[in-house]
Amino acid sequence: AQKITQTQPGMFVQEKEAVTLDCTYDTSDPSYGLFWYKQPSSGEMIFLIYQGSYDQQNATEGRYSLNFQKARKSANLVISASQLGDSAMYFCAMREGSFYNQGGKLIFGQGTELSVKP
Amino acid sequence: DAGITQSPRHKVTETGTPVTLRCHQTENHRYMYWYRQDPGHGLRLIHYSYGVKDTDKGEVSDGYSVSRSKTEDFLLTLESATSSQTSVYFCALSGALTDTQYFGPGTRLTVL
Repeated sequence: AQKITQTQPGMFVQEKEAVTLDCTYDTSDPSYGLFWYKQPSSGEMIFLIYQGSYDQQNATEGRYSLNFQKARKSANLVISASQLGDSAMYFCAMREGSFYNQGGKLIFGQGTELSVKP
Repeated sequence: DAGITQSPRHKVTETGTPVTLRCHQTENHRYMYWYRQDPGHGLRLIHYSYGVKDTDKGEVSDGYSVSRSKTEDFLLTLESATSSQTSVYFCALSGALTDTQYFGPGTRLTVL
């Protein structure tokens, strides 16, 4: 079974609008971490945001927020006020288990390609 | 961003030849990782290291070996490259206090 599922291979959004990228995960471990990375066409992997399984509040970083719904096992990325520079591939990833027990290994989804229209 | 460099950035080689990719960090982070990225698969962990001379296998370790003789360098070796190992290889690292992984720029390897 897929540990991380991103069901939207590609999405379009109008500039200045908000967009939600979906991510669902599967784990039975009570301790885990969820990450979002951005990969522009230049190829580098850019860390965006992190949510720990015990965090009570949704993580936010500037225009990025993570809509964490633990019971539904979803960790959707919300980008507010989209910009042309947000056009990129976005990856959801999970660290399953605690960092010290599992060594921080990440499991990635297949990604969602976001295109921002002017 | 963490100081991570990868070398070479691009390499074309032939089937059956050995290849070594280098990841170098200037951050003194304990944990280092090698991933490969292929279309339709996202990134998959090959090997990782949790200290000098301490390494372990990841999801797709067959055909790869690693070495870490000093904190700053993590080497990935393909003993006998195959066409299925054509991929983009990313190195990543994280510290002990935060498990956010920061990635190097990647190495594009083509095996003909």
